[in-house]
Amino acid sequence: DAKTTQPTSMDCAEGRAANLPCNHSTISGNEYVYWYRQIHSQGPQYIIHGLKNNETNEMASLIITEDRKSSTLILPHATLRDTAVYYCIVRVYTGTASKLTFGTGTRLQVTL
Amino acid sequence: NAGVTQTPKFRILKIGQSMTLQCTQDMNHNYMYWYRQDPGMGLKLIYYSVGAGITDKGEVPNGYNVSRSTTEDFPLRLELAAPSQTSVYFCASSLSGGNQPQHFGDGTRLSIL
Repeated sequence: DAKTTQPTSMDCAEGRAANLPCNHSTISGNEYVYWYRQIHSQGPQYIIHGLKNNETNEMASLIITEDRKSSTLILPHATLRDTAVYYCIVRVYTGTASKLTFGTGTRLQVTL
Repeated sequence: NAGVTQTPKFRILKIGQSMTLQCTQDMNHNYMYWYRQDPGMGLKLIYYSVGAGITDKGEVPNGYNVSRSTTEDFPLRLELAAPSQTSVYFCASSLSGGNQPQHFGDGTRLSIL
């Protein structure tokens, strides 16, 4: 799986949009970009994933650049409960296994 | 709908003891996974299973064993506990091995003293 690079930490004011960047310059054509988050002491929580097109669901939006070498996770109106470590993962479907390779992620702190 | 359930939540073992970490899911998912997470680090895959009766090694399988006799259950066994196995263990499941997201349990915090 391609390696990803994320900032170690970020701050965001409550009510503002949180934009979390991720670089994946070695991504290949069949690799998807996934975002998970981990709130303290809990298991990772799936947020969103995409291949080429931008994606949106009830939790967040995912913006993938045209060359697919980077992406941004957007939490449109961050709340204190969004404080967590956010992981950007690229993953290829091998036809048999589906393995996630977690890095150290971005620690997002949402403040009043 | 409980999702992925892990037991116990906490455990302290002595060096050389053995134990089984339990994981069960009620979503009828075919794929199941075991990860470990050391302090300040990301998750590392230990073992995974693509269906009942089928298991395979991940990145860090040494010191662990698994079995998958049913779709619902995927226990992880430590035979001779070592201090290096002190970690938080997460079990996950997914419907298939394609684009389906993985759903995680809340983890088992294991200390080996």
